[in-house]
Amino acid sequence: LAKTTQPISMDSYEGQEVNITCSHNNIATNDYITWYQQFPSQGPRFIIQGYKTKVTNEVASLFIPADRKSSTLSLPRVSLSDTAVYYCLVGTYNNAGNMLTFGGGTRLMVKP
Amino acid sequence: DVKVTQSSRYLVKRTGEKVFLECVQDMDHENMFWYRQDPGLGLRLIYFSYDVKMKEKGDIPEGYSVSREKKERFSLILESASTNQTSMYLCASSLLGPGEAQYFGPGTRLLVL
Repeated sequence: LAKTTQPISMDSYEGQEVNITCSHNNIATNDYITWYQQFPSQGPRFIIQGYKTKVTNEVASLFIPADRKSSTLSLPRVSLSDTAVYYCLVGTYNNAGNMLTFGGGTRLMVKP
Repeated sequence: DVKVTQSSRYLVKRTGEKVFLECVQDMDHENMFWYRQDPGLGLRLIYFSYDVKMKEKGDIPEGYSVSREKKERFSLILESASTNQTSMYLCASSLLGPGEAQYFGPGTRLLVL
């Protein structure tokens, strides 16, 4: 079971790039890495997913080194509305067994 | 857009009551999940289901059971609610396995008195 570790909180300012790192030392060969964003009183929302190297979409980039023991979510030019909790999840597409672990989440505060 | 709905946003129950939390998804997803979320503990998986009538225990299944009679509906049951089950309960669904993007409902905040 791949345990994940994230910083508890981070502060940033509007317009800056924010990088949040997640450690997952026991990641398995079939595991994917997925990041979610959660606002207060809402369910988490999918941001990005990757397996290795770099993935980019319209809201974020995900960097995964060759050993896959960590991953970094990069948010370009954050705004106040990016203030939220960000979760890293490591899991597999297989259906059998318990192969899901959410990290404790990183509370990002974006200041004006 | 995937839509996951939960039967209640807020629920107040008494200790010992049987509690049903219902979740419905409209995207024909194979997998459905129940999590609870508590301050400082993040999201913890209670149960998930990968097919009708199929279920797997998550990290904290004690005190809970689940039912999936139809593909679109996944129910979480607290057989005898206790105060330590006061929490936010989140349902999610995904098309393929647990590692794929999950779509979450708005959550049910349950208070057990």
